Amino acid sequence: DAGITQSPRHKVTETGTPVTLRCHQTENHRYMYWYRQDPGHGLRLIHYSYGVKDTDKGEVSDGYSVSRSKTEDFLLTLESATSSQTSVYFCAIQLPWGEQYFGPGTRLTVT
Amino acid sequence: GESVGLHLPTLSVQEGDNSIINCAYSNSASDYFIWYKQESGKGPQFIIDIRSNMDKRQGQRVTVLLNKTVKHLSLQIAATQPGDSAVYFCAESPRSNDYKLSFGAGTTVTVRA
Repeated sequence: DAGITQSPRHKVTETGTPVTLRCHQTENHRYMYWYRQDPGHGLRLIHYSYGVKDTDKGEVSDGYSVSRSKTEDFLLTLESATSSQTSVYFCAIQLPWGEQYFGPGTRLTVT
Repeated sequence: GESVGLHLPTLSVQEGDNSIINCAYSNSASDYFIWYKQESGKGPQFIIDIRSNMDKRQGQRVTVLLNKTVKHLSLQIAATQPGDSAVYFCAESPRSNDYKLSFGAGTTVTVRA
């Protein structure tokens, strides 16, 4: 099984504070993705990475930034959290045979 | 805009019956389609996928059908079990697009005993 962890699993933060979520994979998969999941919207792509230091925007990238300094780690940062960013965040890796494999998720609440 | 969507947000099925979950897509460039199952509090879990050069693909108790003419995708679950209760998502991707997936909103399947 592909190994993927997310940290923290739960976080409550205040409006205006910076927040960083971490995604860690135990294998050297090139592509990594950050999604958010909200009721009625399915999963929407925030940002993705196609290699170390190579990232690009998804459909809902405003208010988010990402970094990938090592193959195994993909960080998602909310520079100044807003209540609209309360969501469940999922990281995924692209497996060679086609599917994306998802992590367990991070539930973020912005008060 | 182009999107992936599911016909019904909820589906109630009697245990032992077959389930059919439908999905419509509008991106004619899509050539990869995938179904995920998501249980409460967990991340999406891969069920089955299909490429545009195929019409049908079977897995263990599941079958995916692809009709490119009408841009329709369906997931059939045979002999539905209580453990099949979950939210099911379809997603599509043009493979030339960095494997980015576009997801539908999901169908919640409830299995009645």
